[in-house]
This record gives sequence, structure tokens and C-alpha cells, in this order.
Amino acid sequence: GEDVEQSLFLSVREGDSSVINCTYTDSSSTYLYWYKQEPGAGLQLLTYIFSNMDMKQDQRLTVLLNKKDKHLSLRIADTQTGDSAIYFCAESTTDSWGKLQFGAGTQVVVTP
Amino acid sequence: DAGVTQSPTHLIKTRGQQVTLRCSPKSGHDTVSWYQQALGQGPQFIFQYYEEEERQRGNFPDRFSGHQFPNYSSELNVNALLLGDSALYLCASSLQDREVSFGQGTRLTVV
Repeated sequence: GEDVEQSLFLSVREGDSSVINCTYTDSSSTYLYWYKQEPGAGLQLLTYIFSNMDMKQDQRLTVLLNKKDKHLSLRIADTQTGDSAIYFCAESTTDSWGKLQFGAGTQVVVTP
Repeated sequence: DAGVTQSPTHLIKTRGQQVTLRCSPKSGHDTVSWYQQALGQGPQFIFQYYEEEERQRGNFPDRFSGHQFPNYSSELNVNALLLGDSALYLCASSLQDREVSFGQGTRLTVV
């Protein structure tokens, strides 16, 4: 099974906050990443967090990391229709050095 | 500052043929990895190159091979193409294990 798990779908109203959740299993994670993928496109790096951090904020994006529960979340404030996409979380570990293990992705649909 | 660039963007090949995909990493990055993304799934790691050597490899057959050049650019070669090789192939570059950035991908269709 997947080492990284995400819920498959999230629907949110324009202007509300979105929260996308992710759980991982490897306690030796070094970096945890969030990517956005629009239809037919590659992966856009949104943000990443080093495993010794609890939180990282970058404009509308806030990443929270709970190492004890191996839980990662991405909050998007003031969600816009352009935020509709598939969001992937991914982890790299100390013994995999930049090799990313991805979840299956969360499809976010923003409704007006 | 150009990010990761891949060529070509789309490719159609016949079963049994061979294909070469190309990638130029983001400026300042020294490590290149390749991923395969089937429709509706997350990317799967194929292999990684650092200092012109294959450093890590995922669970892919020997039909998948690669190369990294002194300027850090990279190629992915797939021999004896199968219908199941149809996918989006993504190149990622990083500064060792940090800041992994992806290109726009090459959509390979095997018919």
C-alpha cells in the first residue's frame, strides 16, 4: 500500500479556506512537499517543510506538520477558482535522499 | 531563471520501438530524477542521477535507462516499448535532496 495517504476529493466554496490532509509512515522523513497539478500539466512546487519544523507560512499557504502523528496539512486561505487542481503531498527520507514518495493526490474543486 | 525544461512535450511511438526523453535541470541544481505518472495516479520514481552516476533506482525494469551529462542535463531511454509504458514522464531536479522541482513532463503514448 501507499506510504503516503491523502483523501481523494475536497470541495470548497470560493473565498473559504481549504485544508488538505496527508499522513505518512516513515519516521525518518527529511523534507515534506506539497505540489499542485493542473490538467495535462507537470507538478508545480508550492512549498516544502523540513522535518524539524512545525509550521511554514508562505502568502496564502500554511503548512502544519505533526511529527508525532505523522500528519501534514496544507491550508489555502481565501481559495480561488484558480486553485482547482490536484494536490500531492510527498516525502523524502534520510535513506532516499531526494527520492520522493507521493500520495495518490487530492482533487480540489472550488465552486463559485 | 528557467525552471526544469523537458522535451518533447508529446510523443507517439509504436509498441517495440525505443524512445529518448530529455531534461535540463533548474539552474543551480545538480541532481536529476525521473518519474512515471500513469493516469489518475501519483508519480512513481524511476531513477536518480547525481555526478553522472545512477544513484538510486525504483522498481522499473532494465528497459528503462538513463544518463546524466557534465552540464547536469539528463536523458531517459526506454527500449522495447509496451502499451503500458504510456504515461506522463516527469523530470525533477534538486540541489542534492532539497527543493525538488519538476518540469512540465513528456506525454508518451504507445500504440
